[in-house]
Amino acid sequence: KAGVTQTPRYLIKTRGQQVTLSCSPISGHRSVSWYQQTPGQGLQFLFEYFSETQRNKGNFPGRFSGRQFSNSRSEMNVSTLELGDSALYLCASSLFLGSSYEQYFGPGTRLTVT
Amino acid sequence: KNEVEQSPQNLTAQEGEFITINCSYSVGISALHWLQQHPGGGIVSLFMLSSGKKKHGRLIATINIQEKHSSLHITASHPRDSAVYICAVAPFGNEKLTFGTGTRLTIIP
Repeated sequence: KAGVTQTPRYLIKTRGQQVTLSCSPISGHRSVSWYQQTPGQGLQFLFEYFSETQRNKGNFPGRFSGRQFSNSRSEMNVSTLELGDSALYLCASSLFLGSSYEQYFGPGTRLTVT
Repeated sequence: KNEVEQSPQNLTAQEGEFITINCSYSVGISALHWLQQHPGGGIVSLFMLSSGKKKHGRLIATINIQEKHSSLHITASHPRDSAVYICAVAPFGNEKLTFGTGTRLTIIP
């Protein structure tokens, strides 16, 4: 079974631009979560989608948005990029195990904003 | 106070040593994850625990729900184990993981 895939793996953008990152979950997984990892803040939760609906949202400004498609693939978008948005963006797909969720992480997209 | 605390922050050991990394948390959880991240790399999920103990190769993870504490052990450590190990907790019925700040492990040959 293929793992979680993220595209692109690396991206360089300039301040003020917008960016779209893509995540394809493991086949059969309907939940996708997004995380941001920066040297200063560590790993932080961005949002989570299940069956095309946003179920949870972290404490990020409205410039960060996402969506999920009917095939469970998810995209996140960051508009009006700032230097501080430079980070590793991780996607995880989840399988509900009855009382908890098992999360599988993708390799991440490393975004550099110049 | 962070919801998830890891110790130590940094750990250097000789190859072959037994390694223990600790994680304490302050909220009720449905599961705890141990993750591994090599320098410049993505994140790999090592274990997901809701009770007891799990073993995979040289890695062992334990959790004590009453004490809100988990440990990750590495037996016969090897330089390829050098990585950052991150503890993350999932609150009840919620996939929104909260992460510790990680433990940077360096194994010297």
